[in-house]
Amino acid sequence: DAKTTQPNSMESNEEEPVHLPCNHSTISGTDYIHWYRQLPSQGPEYVIHGLTSNVNNRMASLAIAEDRKSSTLILHRATLRDAAVYYCILRDDLDNAGNMLTFGGGTRLMVKP
Amino acid sequence: DAMVIQNPRYQVTQFGKPVTLSCSQTLNHNVMYWYQQKSSQAPKLLFHYYDKDFNNEADTPDNFQSRRPNTSFCFLDIRSPGLGDAAMYLCATSKAGEAYEQYFGPGTRLTVT
Repeated sequence: DAKTTQPNSMESNEEEPVHLPCNHSTISGTDYIHWYRQLPSQGPEYVIHGLTSNVNNRMASLAIAEDRKSSTLILHRATLRDAAVYYCILRDDLDNAGNMLTFGGGTRLMVKP
Repeated sequence: DAMVIQNPRYQVTQFGKPVTLSCSQTLNHNVMYWYQQKSSQAPKLLFHYYDKDFNNEADTPDNFQSRRPNTSFCFLDIRSPGLGDAAMYLCATSKAGEAYEQYFGPGTRLTVT
């Protein structure tokens, strides 16, 4: 899997939008961009994924740069419950043998009340 | 609710004493994974089962083995735990071929004394 680069940590105020960046300059044409988050003392949970177009779901939005070398996870209104480590992961769609994920360092998001 | 269940949530074993961690799923997913997550690190894939086919990661120590007797259950066996094997062990499942999300269990925290 291609590598991703994320800031180690970010801070946000409650009820404000949060933009979590991810750089993936070596992304290939068949790599999907996945985001997972891990709340304290829990297993990771899926947040969102995309290939080329921006994506929205109930949890977040994913904005993908036109050249696909970077993406941004957007939490529209941060809550205290959103404090977690957010992982940006590239997954090769050609890898149908098992949908493996390679986790990088992630961004620890802290939300202040 | 369909889910991934891991038992026990906390396991204490002695140095060198074999230990087995268990994972079950009600999602009927054909792929199951085991990850190791050490303190302040990202999850690291140990191996996965695609149906009955076992796939070991190249750098997974021989000390770690796995069994999948049926679709619903998967076990992680650590034959001779060392102090360095103390970690959170995460089980996850997914459907192959859909290239989408993995569902994680809450993890088992292993302590080696």
